[in-house]
Amino acid sequence: DAGVIQSPRHEVTEMGQEVTLRCKPISGHDYLFWYRQTMMRGLELLIYFNNNVPIDDSGMPEDRFSAKMPNASFSTLKIQPSEPRDSAVYFCASSPLAGTYNEQFFGPGTRLTVL
Amino acid sequence: EDKVVQSPLSLVVHEGDTVTLNCSYEVTNFRSLLWYKQEKKAPTFLFMLTSSGIEKKSGRLSSILDKKELFSILNITATQTGDSAIYLCAVGTDKLIFGTGTRLQVFP
Repeated sequence: DAGVIQSPRHEVTEMGQEVTLRCKPISGHDYLFWYRQTMMRGLELLIYFNNNVPIDDSGMPEDRFSAKMPNASFSTLKIQPSEPRDSAVYFCASSPLAGTYNEQFFGPGTRLTVL
Repeated sequence: EDKVVQSPLSLVVHEGDTVTLNCSYEVTNFRSLLWYKQEKKAPTFLFMLTSSGIEKKSGRLSSILDKKELFSILNITATQTGDSAIYLCAVGTDKLIFGTGTRLQVFP
């Protein structure tokens, strides 16, 4: 099993540009989660999907952030326009069970730097 | 507001030492408590605890949960340099709420 796949692994962009992060969950996992990790705030849940449907997006910081899951094997997190304070590591995770309180499998993360 | 607090923030030990990492929580609708290890990449799962007083063990690592006092500990015995990492505690409610982690450094 390939595990959760994220791309790109690193992204450097300039303030104001659009950024799109991609995630492929483990096959058969019904839950998909997007997290952001910073030194100051640790690991924070942004949004999660169950069977491709967004369930809780209360962690999305503002309207500049959006996420989609068009099918069971693909999700995107978009930031438009990006700002320097968005610099962080963004993780995608998936889970086969009631993933909100069970083990979640994390991807390798995307390190985003906004200049 | 739900919160998860880990202590200490940072720990430096020598190989062979035993360490205890702490995680306390205040949440509504507690379902589980999970421990993860994070090296320079993605967090990897260690344990999930749901019942008080039942120790989970894997090699030199063990963990226990106290639902009355609202905390968990993670013990690592005979530490090795490969144990150096950030250890994350997460409490499962309607989502996983992570603490900010304990950074463990093990020197030879």
